[in-house]
Amino acid sequence: DAKTTQPTSMDCAEGRAANLPCNHSTISGNEYVYWYRQIHSQGPQYIIHGLKNNETNEMASLIITEDRKSSTLILPHATLRDTAVYYCIVRAGTNAGNNRKLIWGLGTSLAVNP
Amino acid sequence: DAGVTQSPTHLIKTRGQHVTLRCSPISGHKSVSWYQQVLGQGPQFIFQYYEKEERGRGNFPDRFSARQFPNYSSELNVNALLLGDSALYLCASSWGLAGLDTQYFGPGTRLTVL
Repeated sequence: DAKTTQPTSMDCAEGRAANLPCNHSTISGNEYVYWYRQIHSQGPQYIIHGLKNNETNEMASLIITEDRKSSTLILPHATLRDTAVYYCIVRAGTNAGNNRKLIWGLGTSLAVNP
Repeated sequence: DAGVTQSPTHLIKTRGQHVTLRCSPISGHKSVSWYQQVLGQGPQFIFQYYEKEERGRGNFPDRFSARQFPNYSSELNVNALLLGDSALYLCASSWGLAGLDTQYFGPGTRLTVL
């Protein structure tokens, strides 16, 4: 079972910031938070990941709370092309057993509106 | 640089037939994972291979098998196809096995079983 919970859907106006929340209250100390997105019927696209510090790359920013039980993916200036299903996944950083696979939930369907 | 490639893009088969799906990982990546995504659901883990050896298996019947070749490309085979095997089959590659190694996905193969 997925270890994260996300809202089913969200809307965002084009040009505004999209803030996508994710709860992972059972996260362990060695587990990373990964974000992927999937545009309709395409392969998932890696966005960003983090452990405890906030992270930023050319696509997005990831804010992780101090207790690490939740995080927020921020798309600073959403465009119509950002319309997709966004998946939040927790995954251990070690090399053992079931850590090798990604366990996906249903994600958040983000609609960016003109 | 080329990303993960998969072939074919689309495939239509009938019940009871056999299918082979192919995946070429990103250059330098030694691990390939396969996922099945049924419409409306997140991807489900099927297999992971590293250095030509199976390193992880999801909850799928023995009709599903896979292998990895010396050049790190991979094949997923499904025998005795059922209607329920209709799905998007995704291949992901990563440098190694560690949970920290980011998985990058191909565009997928859309399999329709009639």
